[in-house]
Amino acid sequence: DIVMTQSPDSLAVSLGERATINCKSSQSLLESSDNKNYLAWYQQKPGQPPKLLIYWASTRESGVPDRFSGSGSGTDFTLTISSLQAEDVAVYYCQRYYITPFTFGQGTKLEIK
Amino acid sequence: EVQLVESGGGLVQPGGSLRLSCAASGFSFSNYWMHWVRQAPGKGLVWVAHINNDGSHTTYADSVKGRFTISRDNAKNTVSLQMNSLRGEDTAVYHCARGGGGIDQWGQGTLVTVSS
Repeated sequence: DIVMTQSPDSLAVSLGERATINCKSSQSLLESSDNKNYLAWYQQKPGQPPKLLIYWASTRESGVPDRFSGSGSGTDFTLTISSLQAEDVAVYYCQRYYITPFTFGQGTKLEIK
Repeated sequence: EVQLVESGGGLVQPGGSLRLSCAASGFSFSNYWMHWVRQAPGKGLVWVAHINNDGSHTTYADSVKGRFTISRDNAKNTVSLQMNSLRGEDTAVYHCARGGGGIDQWGQGTLVTVSS
C-alpha cells in the first residue's frame, strides 16, 4: 500500500520567517491521463476539523492566504508558508486523493520559535 | 452554507456495533463523493472509507475492511457508516467529509469509544 511520509515531524519557526514541510509518497501521484498530481495539503488547529489548503499539489483553495504555496511532482512535494503568522500554528497533513487508498501523512506540528 | 453534521457516536463494548450518520446540507449532495475519516485522541488523520456519487462504488482502509460498511441515501442527503466487530483501536473522532479537489468540507466529528 501507498505510504505518505512527512518531514519533519515538528518544526519551530520565527514569526515572519519561512516554514517548509515535505511530503514523500511511496508511489507517484502524477496521473498520466491528465498530468495532475493528486496531492492535497490540510491545516488542522486544536479542536477543529482539518481545513483544505492546497489541491493538485499546487492549487490554493479559495480563501487561503497566498503565503501558503505547494510545489512538487511525482513522489516529492512541499508546502511552504512564506512568512509565518501566529495563526498558522497548527498540524499540517498531506494526503493522496482521488485514487484509493486516500492515505494521509503522519502530520507535521508547526510552532512559533 | 455547506454543513455536515455527524451523529451516532458513543461508548460501545469491544465486539459491539455502532451506526454513524451524517446529514449534509447546503450543496448538491448527489454530485459528490463522501468519506469517513477518523482521528484517535492525540493522533493523526486516518482515512476510513469512501463512497462515490450514486453509491455504486465503495472503498475501505485495510484496517476496517470486512467490519465497516459505508452507504448513502441521496434522497435524504445522508451518508452512514455501519461499524461491526469494534475494537479498542477503533476509538476515535469520526469525521464525515466531502470529496472534491481533495476533501474540501468536514464535519465536526462524533466520538466513538470502544471500551469495556
